[in-house]
Amino acid sequence: ETGVTQTPRHLVMGMTNKKSLKCEQHLGHNAMYWYKQSAKKPLELMFVYSLEERVENNSVPSRFSPECPNSSHLFLHLHTLQPEDSALYLCASRQDFDSNNEQFFGPGTRLTVL
Amino acid sequence: AQSVSQHNHHVILSEAASLELGCNYSYGGTVNLFWYVQYPGQHLQLLLKYFSGDPLVKGIKGFEAEFIKSKFSFNLRKPSVQWSDTAEYFCAVNKGSNDYKLSFGAGTTVTVRA
Repeated sequence: ETGVTQTPRHLVMGMTNKKSLKCEQHLGHNAMYWYKQSAKKPLELMFVYSLEERVENNSVPSRFSPECPNSSHLFLHLHTLQPEDSALYLCASRQDFDSNNEQFFGPGTRLTVL
Repeated sequence: AQSVSQHNHHVILSEAASLELGCNYSYGGTVNLFWYVQYPGQHLQLLLKYFSGDPLVKGIKGFEAEFIKSKFSFNLRKPSVQWSDTAEYFCAVNKGSNDYKLSFGAGTTVTVRA
């Protein structure tokens, strides 16, 4: 497996469910990101981790809870979501938090909240 | 805050036509500039990037972009499109000097008709 992988690719959940999104990067990068992609809107940065330490929490509601157990894995724990949280959730990684390099993206998890 | 504007939401053209997608950003200092492409059902991929040097940047699949500092622009071009160029295109900007945030435009959907 190469690049950035995300599981599951699709998720349908009710508003009272608890679920988790998983991201894994196989690039040896030190920084990882969660983005929310909604139709016809710019990607919204949610969280940034550098070497397992959270460096950005971009005013994201507490019903989204990130976890970064090591520099290769990133989770997004979901609880009591709202229908407006339905979107494509993208994970990305970058060589270093503060380097001038591009970000590499995973395929995303398409989340539908009923 | 950094903002990125993409002028067209949806562009429809025929094969062999020329393509130009506009991108403007608001930050006045040193910037790093990116164009990403998202083919249907696939993850975001880097088309090209500009950090410094020659303002005319060549990327993959025959794409190029020109950085015009005085106009705060980084327009994407391709002289002759193919049906396989049907995708969504995103312009992204971060500040030079170690900015970990990437600000995205809302994207332009390009449909190429055979």
